[in-house]
Amino acid sequence: ETGVTQTPRHLVMGMTNKKSLKCEQHLGHNAMYWYKQSAKKPLELMFVYSLEERVENNSVPSRFSPECPNSSHLFLHLHTLQPEDSALYLCASSQQPNLPYEQYFGPGTRLTVT
Amino acid sequence: ELKVEQNPLFLSMQEGKNYTIYCNYSTTSDRLYWYRQDPGKSLESLFVLLSNGAVKQEGRLMASLDTKARLSTLHITAAVHDLSATYFCAVDTSGTYKYIFGTGTRLKVLA
Repeated sequence: ETGVTQTPRHLVMGMTNKKSLKCEQHLGHNAMYWYKQSAKKPLELMFVYSLEERVENNSVPSRFSPECPNSSHLFLHLHTLQPEDSALYLCASSQQPNLPYEQYFGPGTRLTVT
Repeated sequence: ELKVEQNPLFLSMQEGKNYTIYCNYSTTSDRLYWYRQDPGKSLESLFVLLSNGAVKQEGRLMASLDTKARLSTLHITAAVHDLSATYFCAVDTSGTYKYIFGTGTRLKVLA
């Protein structure tokens, strides 16, 4: 595997379910990110981890819970979601603080909440 | 609050024509990124602009950065159908991990 991978690629869940999204980066980076991409909205930064420590949390509802067990893996745990949470969830990684801070994105998980 | 605005939001152009996409941002930043996203796919990095006056070119795309005007442009020369995609610019705030993305410009190149 190369780059940034995400599983599953598609997920349909009910509002009472609990599920997790997984992201793995094979680039040796030390920072990982979760973004939400909804139709007609800019990409929204949700969480940032640097060296497995959360450094950014953009007022995300508690029904989204991130976990970063090591610098290569990032999870997003989901529970009691709402239909408006349906979106494409993108994971990214970068090497901080070295320039050029470029982010590399995974393919995304298309989440549908019914 | 840092804001990043792109225009136009939608662009339909004929093959062979030239056009420019604009990216304005609201606060000081020396780092500007351009990404491309194909339908149903993830974001692919195109350019990283790290200083005032930076210009980068790849094929039919050329990006530039004017930090004093807080403006970046993505110029398309002699467009071809393969350039059809959504283009995003993004800015990060110095000393943080916060990247702010523009709304995207959806480009459609007509044969």
